[in-house]
Amino acid sequence: EAQVTQNPRYLITVTGKKLTVTCSQNMNHEYMSWYRQDPGLGLRQIYYSMNVEVTDKGDVPEGYKVSRKEKRNFPLILESPSPNQTSLYFCASSPARDRGEKLFFGSGTQLSVL
Amino acid sequence: AQSVAQPEDQVNVAEGNPLTVKCTYSVSGNPYLFWYVQYPNRGLQFLLKYITGDNLVKGSYGFEAEFNKSQTSFHLKKPSALVSDSALYFCAVRDTAAGNKLTFGGGTRVLVKP
Repeated sequence: EAQVTQNPRYLITVTGKKLTVTCSQNMNHEYMSWYRQDPGLGLRQIYYSMNVEVTDKGDVPEGYKVSRKEKRNFPLILESPSPNQTSLYFCASSPARDRGEKLFFGSGTQLSVL
Repeated sequence: AQSVAQPEDQVNVAEGNPLTVKCTYSVSGNPYLFWYVQYPNRGLQFLLKYITGDNLVKGSYGFEAEFNKSQTSFHLKKPSALVSDSALYFCAVRDTAAGNKLTFGGGTRVLVKP
């Protein structure tokens, strides 16, 4: 089954404790992206990647890191989480961005930073 | 800078009645426009897109949207709403003159009452 898989589904952590949210897709998509969803603000893009070893900042990249060493994986790293990073996070992928292809989303990761 | 506005936080409609969810956008180039739906505890799912051509676009689950360039709008419509259409709906735009960035609106919650 074609899908985008995020782990974990729920995560509670404390300020300053490094964490990684994993994202993997099995559709051989070039493009991958991370979003955070906050009430009333919709989805805001954190980082995106056009292909392996190619990443770029979105609208709200501060406090986050990403890497794209393999085509299928695009982990989101919070080196020193803070309470304002409490949010619902989504990973998404698509075949290619330059043709306006639709995005496929993971089920989300609800992160709480205490 | 590109932007998307969904002026209604919530839309209430009776089952069987027409459903409309409003979206307006602002871009400097030509827009690629999308609608996504989010059911509880799920990631976003693609409904439909407008790239070029016919202004009326048909999508999944009986939804359609009309592109209106003069009003810079892309309203989502369904002739007869179902209770199962109750969800959070997001409009998104990509400005072809601004690279690969996809901007989402704040979302509109649709509640269809039996």
